[in-house]
Amino acid sequence: QQQVKQSPQSLIVQKGGISIINCAYENTAFDYFPWYQQFPGKGPALLIAIRPDVSEKKEGRFTISFNKSAKQFSLHIMDSQPGDSATYFCAAHPGSARQLTFGSGTQLTVLP
Amino acid sequence: EADIYQTPRYLVIGTGKKITLECSQTMGHDKMYWYQQDPGMELHLIHYSYGVNSTEKGDLSSESTVSRIRTEHFPLTLESARPSHTSQYLCASSVGTGGSSVYGYTFGSGTRLTVV
Repeated sequence: QQQVKQSPQSLIVQKGGISIINCAYENTAFDYFPWYQQFPGKGPALLIAIRPDVSEKKEGRFTISFNKSAKQFSLHIMDSQPGDSATYFCAAHPGSARQLTFGSGTQLTVLP
Repeated sequence: EADIYQTPRYLVIGTGKKITLECSQTMGHDKMYWYQQDPGMELHLIHYSYGVNSTEKGDLSSESTVSRIRTEHFPLTLESARPSHTSQYLCASSVGTGGSSVYGYTFGSGTRLTVV
């Protein structure tokens, strides 16, 4: 049973555009929501993370928006660059359990 | 510089062979994990460990086994490799307790396994 649903599966954006990836969850016990970025041939790397007590977190061109009532969170990549082309995974951690639940991933391609 | 190391990076092996994929971390993390991933696809948890002599199976059924004799070392073994085992295997680790960063996983670069 997938507890974190991620969309879209793939995304193509022009250079300079905004990339938006969405995730939805059902388990209200989740208390930590990280995003991971994975380049081909590499393992995923932590990109940015948020806790549910804030609605937005920004780090450079990357922003997480969090809607606790809707149980949704999204990653926005502003001024997308070809170097951002990678697979992005959202994840959630339920405080009572001991491991992350990952979304199914989004393959982002930024065209030059 | 990577703090979690996986070897080999690539492995091509014949059907029926026994293989061990190595994973070591230098961060002193209690928790370690093995994921199976086809390129660019979902991450499937196959094994995890919360400390020495503690191992559990993950969500995806796997014919592999793991051991955790030392904190820093978490090898994965396939007794008899089959073509269906062809995939990428990723090792990860995380800290046990405290703070917002504790749930962050550090991943290795993976082992790309091909069974012919």
